[in-house]
Amino acid sequence: DAGVIQSPRHEVTEMGQEVTLRCKPISGHNSLFWYRQTMMRGLELLIYFNNNVPIDDSGMPEDRFSAKMPNASFSTLKIQPSEPRDSAVYFCASSTGTTREQFFGPGTRLTVL
Amino acid sequence: QQQVKQSPQSLIVQKGGISIINCAYENTAFDYFPWYQQFPGKGPALLIAIRPDVSEKKEGRFTISFNKSAKQFSLHIMDSQPGDSATYFCAASRGGTSYGKLTFGQGTILTVHP
Repeated sequence: DAGVIQSPRHEVTEMGQEVTLRCKPISGHNSLFWYRQTMMRGLELLIYFNNNVPIDDSGMPEDRFSAKMPNASFSTLKIQPSEPRDSAVYFCASSTGTTREQFFGPGTRLTVL
Repeated sequence: QQQVKQSPQSLIVQKGGISIINCAYENTAFDYFPWYQQFPGKGPALLIAIRPDVSEKKEGRFTISFNKSAKQFSLHIMDSQPGDSATYFCAASRGGTSYGKLTFGQGTILTVHP
């Protein structure tokens, strides 16, 4: 049984470039969460979706960040333009919606030079 | 109102000892309190969770103690093992329109020496 799948696992880019992170939630899960983890700020919720609909995007740091969930099996988090302070590990998590347990993916380590 | 404060930031314990990590919350609407465990290079994974209608929950060597009046909860790891070395996060969530949304503590890096 595959868990949450994220790609790429590592991304190195230069300031100003567009970055797209991808997530495939666990089949049958209807809630999806995007987190950012840094040493300074810990684990921050950026946005979450229920049934493909964005419910709370209050954690999205600024307009450079956008997230979409076009269907139940795929979501993207896009940063345009990227900045060095966006360097972090980005996690995607999913849950069934009937329990509150979230299943995390392995994360994408983003480095913006 | 949404904060969850966790302490200590780091903890070093000898093998066989007891590890204790504490969390405090402010929002009395929180009704679900999980602990997540994260190993280096991995995503967090649910370890154990409690609801405020009980004061303690035990699963193997891991116990959550919950004090509703003090708005505090803690994780106790008995007979700590080197394999328990990881980062531990407490979290909290509430129902209603925010169902499923977790607010995490800052994390505790636990090191268990052999």
